[in-house]
Amino acid sequence: DAKTTQPNSMESNEEEPVHLPCNHSTISGTDYIHWYRQLPSQGPEYVIHGLTSNVNNRMASLAIAEDRKSSTLILHRATLRDAAVYYCILRDRLGDFGNEKLTFGTGTRLTIIP
Amino acid sequence: NAGVTQTPKFQVLKTGQSMTLQCAQDMNHEYMSWYRQDPGMGLRLIHYSVGAGITDQGEVPNGYNVSRSTTEDFPLRLLSAAPSQTSVYFCASSVPGQQETQYFGPGTRLLVL
Repeated sequence: DAKTTQPNSMESNEEEPVHLPCNHSTISGTDYIHWYRQLPSQGPEYVIHGLTSNVNNRMASLAIAEDRKSSTLILHRATLRDAAVYYCILRDRLGDFGNEKLTFGTGTRLTIIP
Repeated sequence: NAGVTQTPKFQVLKTGQSMTLQCAQDMNHEYMSWYRQDPGMGLRLIHYSVGAGITDQGEVPNGYNVSRSTTEDFPLRLLSAAPSQTSVYFCASSVPGQQETQYFGPGTRLLVL
């Protein structure tokens, strides 16, 4: 499986934008880039995903480099409730039925400063 | 929809005891899975199922059994608990597909003494 590399931790001020980077230099052509986050004492929750083009949803934006070897999750206006561990995950390209596993790294722990 | 539910929320076991962690989903998802999360680490896949009657091993299956008799339920059994199984356990479900979102339960915190 292709691997991702994320900083261990980041800090941001409340109400400011946050850019969370992820490197995935060995990404395959049809690997999707998914982001999940895990709030304290909760299960992971889906944030956003993309393949080649930048994506926006109500939670965040995902900017994907043209060569797809890196991506950035953008929280446009961080709140205290965004403090969590953010995981960048490549979905297995094999696509065999049942090959749905998510390979979690250690993620980036985001701290929001009031 | 209740989503993915897990019971119990917290459990203490003695070494050698057995127990079943329950997981249920009401979204008619075919795919269900169990992960464990140790302190400071990401989640690791234990077992998964692609539908009723079908299960398979993940990354760390030793010491755990699963079955899938219905679409809704996917229990995880610890036959003889060991301190190394102290962890937080998460159940997840989804519709199969690379673009599909996986939904996670709130977790069961297990302490084995």
